[in-house]
Amino acid sequence: EAQVTQNPRYLITVTGKKLTVTCSQNMNHEYMSWYRQDPGLGLRQIYYSMNVEVTDKGDVPEGYKVSRKEKRNFPLILESPSPNQTSLYFCASSWAGGVNTEAFFGQGTRLTVV
Amino acid sequence: GENVEQHPSTLSVQEGDSAVIKCTYSDSASNYFPWYKQELGKRPQLIIDIRSNVGEKKDQRIAVTLNKTAKHFSLHITETQPEDSAVYFCAANAGGTSYGKLTFGQGTILTVHP
Repeated sequence: EAQVTQNPRYLITVTGKKLTVTCSQNMNHEYMSWYRQDPGLGLRQIYYSMNVEVTDKGDVPEGYKVSRKEKRNFPLILESPSPNQTSLYFCASSWAGGVNTEAFFGQGTRLTVV
Repeated sequence: GENVEQHPSTLSVQEGDSAVIKCTYSDSASNYFPWYKQELGKRPQLIIDIRSNVGEKKDQRIAVTLNKTAKHFSLHITETQPEDSAVYFCAANAGGTSYGKLTFGQGTILTVHP
């Protein structure tokens, strides 16, 4: 089954404790992206990757890191989480080929930083 | 950077009525405009998209119109049904080599009353 898988689904952590949210897709998509969703603010793009070893900042990259060492994986790293990073996070992937196409979203990760 | 404004933030209609959600964007180089539907507790899913080389696209009860001169695009849902109740997001891509950068609107909560 074609899918985007995020882990964990729920995470409660303390301020300053490094964490990683994993994202994996099995559709051989070139393009992957991370978003955070907050009430009233919609979906805001954190980072995106057009292909392996190619990443770029979205609209809200501060406090986050990403890496794209393999085509299927795109982990989101919070080196020193703070309470303002409490949010619902979505990973998404799509076929690129030089144009935008449908983004397939993961099931989401609800992160709480206390 | 790109700025996408979406209105209204909430929309309540009776079953069978039409619903219209409007978005404006700022980047004249944007050429891809998707619409996503997010049901409660679920991930966003693409319902329709339009590229800048067309002015209108329809898929059964859903249609999207694009006015590139005015930089706005709209989602039209006809003969609404209770299962159309969800949050709807519009989005626009960045132009040029940053086309992977996608900016979403703030979202519209649509409620269809039986």
